[in-house]
Amino acid sequence: AQSVAQPEDQVNVAEGNPLTVKCTYSVSGNPYLFWYVQYPNRGLQFLLKYITGDNLVKGSYGFEAEFNKSQTSFHLKKPSALVSDSALYFCAVRVPGSSASKIIFGSGTRLSIRP
Amino acid sequence: EAGVAQSPRYKIIEKRQSVAFWCNPISGHATLYWYQQILGQGPKLLIQFQNNGVVDDSQLPKDRFSAERLKGVDSTLKIQPAKLEDSAVYLCASSLDILSYNEQFFGPGTRLTVL
Repeated sequence: AQSVAQPEDQVNVAEGNPLTVKCTYSVSGNPYLFWYVQYPNRGLQFLLKYITGDNLVKGSYGFEAEFNKSQTSFHLKKPSALVSDSALYFCAVRVPGSSASKIIFGSGTRLSIRP
Repeated sequence: EAGVAQSPRYKIIEKRQSVAFWCNPISGHATLYWYQQILGQGPKLLIQFQNNGVVDDSQLPKDRFSAERLKGVDSTLKIQPAKLEDSAVYLCASSLDILSYNEQFFGPGTRLTVL
């Protein structure tokens, strides 16, 4: 069965430092991978996606993610964190072409950026 | 461009009562999703519509949950009767079509508390 894991419930980073939010997946076939962000009292917002092509994907707000097929990972990164990046981040995976090609979300990682 | 609209934003009911949520997707989006997000977890897909037809309702508790999208535009999700474990945020999302690589756009959600 396909699944996605976010091994860290919380990540704490000082403002200006680089940040990484980890995501690993388990699917059969070639995955489509997504990152979404959820700010308090708001719905999820799309950040970026990997479909095919270049393993390094750039998205909104200066975020990027690297698809690593051998490690089945899709970690979210940003070179310099901002306090405003503090939010809940979800990794999601979708397997195209299957009978149940729905998107599956990880459990989320709370990112806290301290000034 | 207007986003996904949901109402109400908050609802408090007692167990065994009924409740309904409404969603209006982004204009022109053929695919509509309802998710349940329990505190501390990622969103879980309840039902997915393509226009007015159901694509996936495998995780919908059909003994108490129902959903419809009669004219292929807005949608309602109903719970009857509600249980304590139904307390969650119910998110509606839409996407341009059913293609797996299209990102989903989420509404602000309805926070349901069952007492």
